[in-house]
Amino acid sequence: SQQGEEDPQALSIQEGENATMNCSYKTSINNLQWYRQNSGRGLVHLILIRSNEREKHSGRLRVTLDTSKKSSSLLITASRAADTASYFCATAQASGGSYIPTFGRGTSLIVHP
Amino acid sequence: SAVISQKPSRDICQRGTSLTIQCQVDSQVTMMFWYRQQPGQSLTLIATANQGSEATYESGFVIDKFPISRPNLTFSTLTVSNMSPEDSSIYLCSVEVWDSSAGANVLTFGAGSRLTVL
Repeated sequence: SQQGEEDPQALSIQEGENATMNCSYKTSINNLQWYRQNSGRGLVHLILIRSNEREKHSGRLRVTLDTSKKSSSLLITASRAADTASYFCATAQASGGSYIPTFGRGTSLIVHP
Repeated sequence: SAVISQKPSRDICQRGTSLTIQCQVDSQVTMMFWYRQQPGQSLTLIATANQGSEATYESGFVIDKFPISRPNLTFSTLTVSNMSPEDSSIYLCSVEVWDSSAGANVLTFGAGSRLTVL
């Protein structure tokens, strides 16, 4: 079953604005990952935050994790038209010695030039 | 990181037929994962394929409907059998790769195979 649930389902902003997407999950996790999917393509890993971390940065991406609330947020600063894509959070739980991510429903982001 | 080639990229199939999707990785990997993404939906794991053993299927997916082969460490196939319109989806192949910046394994995906069943 799906673990993460993203909010909002859809987000439309102007280029240069910041985009914030939220993810809630239900059970304990080892880490939480964010992926991007451009239309008609596979997913691309963006950033991973461990359960013992609270915030992480990578370029224009900022991820926070609140394990007490079982939630995470992805902030994209100074958005560009090329950021238009669907964004998925994925929580990793142990399975047979590996951590296989379970994906949420995703947030569809449209950045207008 | 691994590069995954997946084919076909898309196909239109008739009800009752079967289609095999191929996934080729440019490096040897232990596990390969097959996901299904129905229109506008998230990814659902179908099965995990290990070389030399039978695939492990998730709840709701069975081998008769989605037989998987894993003949070596760089290749896998997923067959969608006796297709119905409900099988219209994107099917994605994925492998784990070590991400040094993350300090953990993350998934790398193929571009996906978009199936439309009429």
